[in-house]
Amino acid sequence: NAGVTQTPKFRVLKTGQSMTLLCAQDMNHEYMYWYRQDPGMGLRLIHYSVGEGTTAKGEVPDGYNVSRLKKQNFLLGLESAAPSQTSVYFCASSLGTGVYSNQPQHFGDGTRLSIL
Amino acid sequence: GESVGLHLPTLSVQEGDNSIINCAYSNSASDYFIWYKQESGKGPQFIIDIRSNMDKRQGQRVTVLLNKTVKHLSLQIAATQPGDSAVYFCAENAGYSTLTFGKGTMLLVSP
Repeated sequence: NAGVTQTPKFRVLKTGQSMTLLCAQDMNHEYMYWYRQDPGMGLRLIHYSVGEGTTAKGEVPDGYNVSRLKKQNFLLGLESAAPSQTSVYFCASSLGTGVYSNQPQHFGDGTRLSIL
Repeated sequence: GESVGLHLPTLSVQEGDNSIINCAYSNSASDYFIWYKQESGKGPQFIIDIRSNMDKRQGQRVTVLLNKTVKHLSLQIAATQPGDSAVYFCAENAGYSTLTFGKGTMLLVSP
């Protein structure tokens, strides 16, 4: 049982390049999330998904797109990377709504992304 | 917007002491709160949570206290160990099982 797995762990991009970060969870969780973490800023929600085929914007969605084609995977895309997107990106998942509402989010170990 | 904040950015304690990390929240409608521990180079790790119908919850060496009157949350760690050194985040629910995180407190434990 791996929990939440993020790939890649590190990446360096040039401004204007595109890339996709992959998040996979094996806990059959309904909800998935993407955050970015910057020094002194804590964790900020980029996008999230409340189920397969659904996505929603978080606090800082600009410059990012997401897709949830399969329940276990949540992809974060950067179409045209900018230096301001240099950050550590964390994916998380949680059980979901109904009797499972307000459940802890479980995090991966992050992707460290540098945009030059 | 409303946010979760912390009183102390860094807390230094001696091994064996009890540690208390504080958090103020501003959304009186929040009904779920979590504490996370983050070690260097790793993702946040769930420690303990509490719902608003409770004012105290205990885990292994940790206790979370919730004071809804003054909108204050605290994490108490008993007999702090060097392995407890990390950044601790509080978070409150913000709808649709989303969370708003505080900026974190670094706990430094010296032997």
